[in-house]
Amino acid sequence: GAVVSQHPSRVICKSGTSVKIECRSLDFQATTMFWYRQFPKQSLMLMATSNEGSKATYEQGVEKDKFLINHASLTLSTLTVTSAHPEDSSFYICSAREISGQGKYFGPGTRLTVL
Amino acid sequence: AQRVTQPEKLLSVFKGAPVELKCNYSYSGSPELFWYVQYSRQRLQLLLRHISRESIKGFTADLNKGETSFHLKKPFAQEEDSAMYYCALSVNTDKLIFGTGTRLQVFP
Repeated sequence: GAVVSQHPSRVICKSGTSVKIECRSLDFQATTMFWYRQFPKQSLMLMATSNEGSKATYEQGVEKDKFLINHASLTLSTLTVTSAHPEDSSFYICSAREISGQGKYFGPGTRLTVL
Repeated sequence: AQRVTQPEKLLSVFKGAPVELKCNYSYSGSPELFWYVQYSRQRLQLLLRHISRESIKGFTADLNKGETSFHLKKPFAQEEDSAMYYCALSVNTDKLIFGTGTRLQVFP
């Protein structure tokens, strides 16, 4: 089946630094990838939708200058949390939609802790 | 407003008992609904979608537009069904709106 990977699986960084999270579709091509954020014991909240070769579409309330998304190829999207602060600590999950169908496959998530 | 409500945070049953995980939605358009499951230490994965009208691992879910519900049911729960279950509403094909999830615990 279709597999989506994320790297790193967890990261700890100091306040003020930037962190990049990668999302890859391993055995299929994805024109569209989605980035979600999940706080403890809460639901997944869509942050942005990224389409290969174009600018991401951000959900209301999500700062695009803080959460930079790049979708440079059909198998890779990156989320960069710039100038991270403790309130950015969360679980970030990506999903990818394959070109051929309606299937959306989720990555295992990345736990970000900002000290 | 588009919203998905899962009123139960935790549902505990014994093996062999029937299970119903509740999901209600709010959406003015034609809804497309899904159930996702997350087993311990695993990623989120699709369990079933209402369009398919299928039964997966013994689970079924019927869309009731009158009650705006999409409850997940299984007649006889198994221990391996213990997991976190999320109901989700698809908006504009791409966007998924998730409920807060219900943790199902099936005791032996």
